Amino acid sequence: GQQLNQSPQSMFIQEGEDVSMNCTSSSIFNTWLWYKQDPGEGPVLLIALYKAGELTSNGRLTAQFGITRKDSFLNISASIPSDVGIYFCAGQLRNQFYFGTGTSLTVIP
Amino acid sequence: GAGVSQSPSNKVTEKGKDVELRCDPISGHTALYWYRQSLGQGLEFLIYFQGNSAPDKSGLPSDRFSAERTGGSVSTLTIQRTQQEDSAVYLCASSLVGGLRYNEQFFGPGTRLTVL
Repeated sequence: GQQLNQSPQSMFIQEGEDVSMNCTSSSIFNTWLWYKQDPGEGPVLLIALYKAGELTSNGRLTAQFGITRKDSFLNISASIPSDVGIYFCAGQLRNQFYFGTGTSLTVIP
Repeated sequence: GAGVSQSPSNKVTEKGKDVELRCDPISGHTALYWYRQSLGQGLEFLIYFQGNSAPDKSGLPSDRFSAERTGGSVSTLTIQRTQQEDSAVYLCASSLVGGLRYNEQFFGPGTRLTVL
């Protein structure tokens, strides 16, 4: 299957700091997605990106679809305690979605 | 509720037993996916249903795994002769397929399977 490399694996930051995480792939994707998963729940979609080079914001979140279509990043500005969770990137190719291994974010108040 | 529901939420079984996991997708969603999430790992694609088309089973790890979708709605994932390595959270997702921007998936809360 497709391999998505997501980094960093975990982050411990102070409240108010900005966060950046990224995903790279050996394959080209049509769509890049970013999800957040809280304990005991399924992932929830944060941002979807549909075109190479696209930069999209959703509140304090900003994500970009790399121009090579093989990478994407997610930035979170001015982190707050409720940002805690695991963030996953995912790439879509035809009808299948391939997920990264996740970035665990801890925000210290 | 209006979201994807899964049952049971937790399942503990003995090695060698069969288990059935159920997914109720969002009403009107024609696409349904099953994923497996092992501890500390990302989601691993298992199977995909779209309308009346033949399912994409390319992610099923072995012939012990099978899934059905009845009437284009509810889906059941069956694992026969469970092994300890089958222990994981099994997630179901559905999406409304009608164009690229409607291919967003909505996930259920998952079923945590523990094989003793």
